[in-house]
Amino acid sequence: AQKVTQAQTEISVVEKEDVTLDCVYETRDTTYYLFWYKQPPSGELVFLIRRNSFDEQNEISGRYSWNFQKSTSSFNFTITASQVVDSAVYFCALSEAGAQKLVFGQGTRLTINP
Amino acid sequence: KAGVTQTPRYLIKTRGQQVTLSCSPISGHRSVSWYQQTPGQGLQFLFEYFSETQRNKGNFPGRFSGRQFSNSRSEMNVSTLELGDSALYLCASSWDLAGGPWYEQYFGPGTRLTVT
Repeated sequence: AQKVTQAQTEISVVEKEDVTLDCVYETRDTTYYLFWYKQPPSGELVFLIRRNSFDEQNEISGRYSWNFQKSTSSFNFTITASQVVDSAVYFCALSEAGAQKLVFGQGTRLTINP
Repeated sequence: KAGVTQTPRYLIKTRGQQVTLSCSPISGHRSVSWYQQTPGQGLQFLFEYFSETQRNKGNFPGRFSGRQFSNSRSEMNVSTLELGDSALYLCASSWDLAGGPWYEQYFGPGTRLTVT
């Protein structure tokens, strides 16, 4: 069975600090996809990134970066120079190839204080 | 391009009643998935429809059902509502090509259902 664990339930930092959100996953599939979504107070899940199991390259998009390591089954998300607008609940998710069925972690509530 | 829309946004129902929620996917998307979000269980997959057929199903009782129309719009129905069905119900759509690459899901704002 697939499982995603986000051990950090809540994180609170001061603006401009860097913050890393951890994600550990379990799957028996050799081909799978990993995702990060952001859920602001409005409730809508906003897609941030998709990574497939064959692509271990790290990715940077502005202040956001992702570190995928198959050896440790982790897909961590770092926000550099955090801003108040980054405050939200962040979800890591996993799906097997070919199945439109996401397994979500419990989410990490990130609060950025001014 | 318009995003995923869900109606209604808020709903209050009484235990034992039934409810129907509606979802209109992004234009061109043929896959529609439904998720339930509760504080206790988090985000859980309900089912997914593609070309009017249920293609994947989560571990929910038969009281939860859905369907998809030829224009890809989808509805989900919950019969005999229980207090525990109070949740945010999220719909997501995806561009999906059979045998082709797999694309991410885009979510709607959700329908908040309260069962009293």
